[in-house]
Amino acid sequence: DQQVKQNSPSLSVQEGRISILNCDYTNSMFDYFLWYKKYPAEGPTFLISISSIKDKNEDGRFTVFLNKSAKHLSLHIVPSQPGDSAVYFCAASVKGNTPLVFGKGTRLSVIA
Amino acid sequence: NAGVMQNPRHLVRRRGQEARLRCSPMKGHSHVYWYRQLPEEGLKFMVYLQKENIIDESGMPKERFSAEFPKEGPSILRIQQVVRGDSAAYFCASSPRVKGGGYEQYFGPGTRLTVT
Repeated sequence: DQQVKQNSPSLSVQEGRISILNCDYTNSMFDYFLWYKKYPAEGPTFLISISSIKDKNEDGRFTVFLNKSAKHLSLHIVPSQPGDSAVYFCAASVKGNTPLVFGKGTRLSVIA
Repeated sequence: NAGVMQNPRHLVRRRGQEARLRCSPMKGHSHVYWYRQLPEEGLKFMVYLQKENIIDESGMPKERFSAEFPKEGPSILRIQQVVRGDSAAYFCASSPRVKGGGYEQYFGPGTRLTVT
């Protein structure tokens, strides 16, 4: 029973272009969503988050969009850089200090 | 402000031995979470602790696994009588106490357990 799904295992993008990573969820109780970036042999690094009361949150080159009716969120990276090459995990939680539920990740490769 | 610390980074155990993984949360964080990542999988929640309390252990296997977060010292995840299927990366995360609302969890570098 996968409550958070990242249906694209991998994505390749040219340097300078936009990277769009997608995530779907099934549990309507989720109201806080996060994106993490992970390099091999390291722990996940927090990137950006969004509360269910918003539909967009922006931080520099990273923007997260939330569509609650579709139970879908996406991470946009503009412009993409080679250093962005990593595995990106979408995670969701119910409000408060509760465990995160992760997707399986999308491996992003930014080609110079 | 030091990040989440985990040790050891790599741990090799033979089948039947015990594995002890340690986690020191970020300064000022009172909530600790343990997650496990199997190859080609996402992170799966195991247990959530506050000082001297287990808040949620719904992700922990019923046998051989235990966790604690004592009043003093790091949080410990213990795996008794390890089997090959326990080989994975174990990540600890911490967060501050937040009254409602969203929050971020900050992860340590992980402990890679290999059972031979």
